[in-house]
Amino acid sequence: LAKTTQPISMDSYEGQEVNITCSHNNIATNDYITWYQQFPSQGPRFIIQGYKTKVTNEVASLFIPADRKSSTLSLPRVSLSDTAVYYCLVGENTDKLIFGTGTRLQVFP
Amino acid sequence: DAGVTQSPTHLIKTRGQQVTLRCSPKSGHDTVSWYQQALGQGPQFIFQYYEEEERQRGNFPDRFSGHQFPNYSSELNVNALLLGDSALYLCASSRDRVLAKNIQYFGAGTRLSVL
Repeated sequence: LAKTTQPISMDSYEGQEVNITCSHNNIATNDYITWYQQFPSQGPRFIIQGYKTKVTNEVASLFIPADRKSSTLSLPRVSLSDTAVYYCLVGENTDKLIFGTGTRLQVFP
Repeated sequence: DAGVTQSPTHLIKTRGQQVTLRCSPKSGHDTVSWYQQALGQGPQFIFQYYEEEERQRGNFPDRFSGHQFPNYSSELNVNALLLGDSALYLCASSRDRVLAKNIQYFGAGTRLSVL
């Protein structure tokens, strides 16, 4: 399973776009990149998943360069309710999800 | 459509006791995974159940055991509780590995405090 590195914390203000970058230099050919969001005292929630290029859904966009050694989760126009921990996971379709410590995003009014 | 449900939400036990946590997966899901999350850390994989069998296990001692029932619900049992077992225990469900592609749906967890 590829190891991931992401910033420990980030601050933003309401209405801004937030980009969280994750490094995964040892990503394997069959690995997918998946992002989860977790609020305090709740379980993680799946946000978005991609393999290459760009993926967009109603919540976020995921940008993956051609070498796939990093990925960027983009949250457009964040609100206070986006304050949470964001986890980047990389792996093939495996039985267990490997979480790091994630990125703690704080959104200010 | 109910999501993943866990019970109880909170639990207080003393060292040496045993505890059982319960999980009902999301409708249509047949695979259940359990995770332990210590304060300030990411969830750590305990084990996964599929077709009533433990399919894969993380780095947890034998004090941690589980079960999956024919209706896909699951239990996590922890024996001889230690202070270090205090954590949020998360249950996640998914459809079988061919379809899941690392997408699991989590419950709100059970907060276990060991005194």
